[in-house]
Amino acid sequence: QKEVEQNSGPLSVPEGAIASLNCTYSDRGSQSFFWYRQYSGKSPELIMFIYSNGDKEDGRFTAQLNKASQYVSLLIRDSQPSDSATYLCAVIQGAQKLVFGQGTRLTINP
Amino acid sequence: NAGVTQTPKFRILKIGQSMTLQCTQDMNHNYMYWYRQDPGMGLKLIYYSVGAGITDKGEVPNGYNVSRSTTEDFPLRLELAAPSQTSVYFCASTQDTYNEQFFGPGTRLTVL
Repeated sequence: QKEVEQNSGPLSVPEGAIASLNCTYSDRGSQSFFWYRQYSGKSPELIMFIYSNGDKEDGRFTAQLNKASQYVSLLIRDSQPSDSATYLCAVIQGAQKLVFGQGTRLTINP
Repeated sequence: NAGVTQTPKFRILKIGQSMTLQCTQDMNHNYMYWYRQDPGMGLKLIYYSVGAGITDKGEVPNGYNVSRSTTEDFPLRLELAAPSQTSVYFCASTQDTYNEQFFGPGTRLTVL
């Protein structure tokens, strides 16, 4: 089992709809979780991080964490074409390094 | 602040050649990382450093070496390049692992 798993997609969502991205992790002791966005040919940039069970909202983005089920998700409300990118889930391992999932490619259709 | 800078942006190597990918950060971060990203894949950790003089292997260290003589610089050395090392290489830094990692623009390497 991979340490961090994501559906590689592509995920296609109409403009204005909610995009839902999911990530599962294998290490039950993981504490901190990150969502990075990567545009084609560019470097990753942080969108959100979450440490506690429940929801964390930042503008159109909501991160959801369920430690009992070992999944973390990212919701993007009112999706815009500029949200089209690859979204990488990452989990801290051993307090010193991040483990990344393979990423989900999201396309927002006008 | 320039953030994290990487050179070169692009490079083509022949099999068996060697090269050094440069990474510099001006944020006085303790932690620095080297990742590789193959097409359509996530980031795989090659090596990391928690401070000057301290380095450790990541998930895919074979064929690479690193050093960290200063806080600012973390070069990645490829010895005897192989086609399997064709990838995009990202350097990143952070003040502590529970905060955001800042990424450089990447180096696109092709080994023919």
